[in-house]
Amino acid sequence: KQEVTQIPAALSVPEGENLVLNCSFTDSAIYNLQWFRQDPGKGLTSLLLIQSSQREQTSGRLNASLDKSSGRSTLYIAASQPGDSATYLCAVLGGRRALTFGSGTRLQVQP
Amino acid sequence: DVKVTQSSRYLVKRTGEKVFLECVQDMDHENMFWYRQDPGLGLRLIYFSYDVKMKEKGDIPEGYSVSREKKERFSLILESASTNQTSMYLCASSFRDRGHEQYFGPGTRLTVT
Repeated sequence: KQEVTQIPAALSVPEGENLVLNCSFTDSAIYNLQWFRQDPGKGLTSLLLIQSSQREQTSGRLNASLDKSSGRSTLYIAASQPGDSATYLCAVLGGRRALTFGSGTRLQVQP
Repeated sequence: DVKVTQSSRYLVKRTGEKVFLECVQDMDHENMFWYRQDPGLGLRLIYFSYDVKMKEKGDIPEGYSVSREKKERFSLILESASTNQTSMYLCASSFRDRGHEQYFGPGTRLTVT
């Protein structure tokens, strides 16, 4: 059974810092990996989708990498801003059609 | 833009009531999903549907049923609500091809008293 782990569970950084969020998964037979953002009490917003054949994807200040063989992904956020404060979730799509989620990293960016 | 909408943002129901949560997507997606999210447990799949009238159980289907009579609409039904079904419910949809991303609705916070 696929398990997804995110480290750290919580992170607090001053504004302007570059930061890395980590995601690992136990079964490397995945179709893709998605990173989401969730604000308190809200739904999930898709940030980046990496196909299993890809190594990385970029969107603005966000860069996500995927090393499928080692079961790892990282989300890099450049020049963090207070508006980046949210919970970031990693999820993988394997043999079944639904995603398996990590428990998330709660990020706070201090002004 | 893909849009997934859910019928209510907040809902308060009494124990034993029958509860309907509705989800509608406007992108002609084949797949639709219902998850629940609880502190410390993360997001867990309740049911999903890959076509009209087709459904498959997820990880925690007990106490729930679903209905998909039209492609754009997927309903989650709590036949007899219980307090342990108090949770945030999230609907999602995607194309059948596994290369596509899932899009989520805004969520329904259900409280059962």
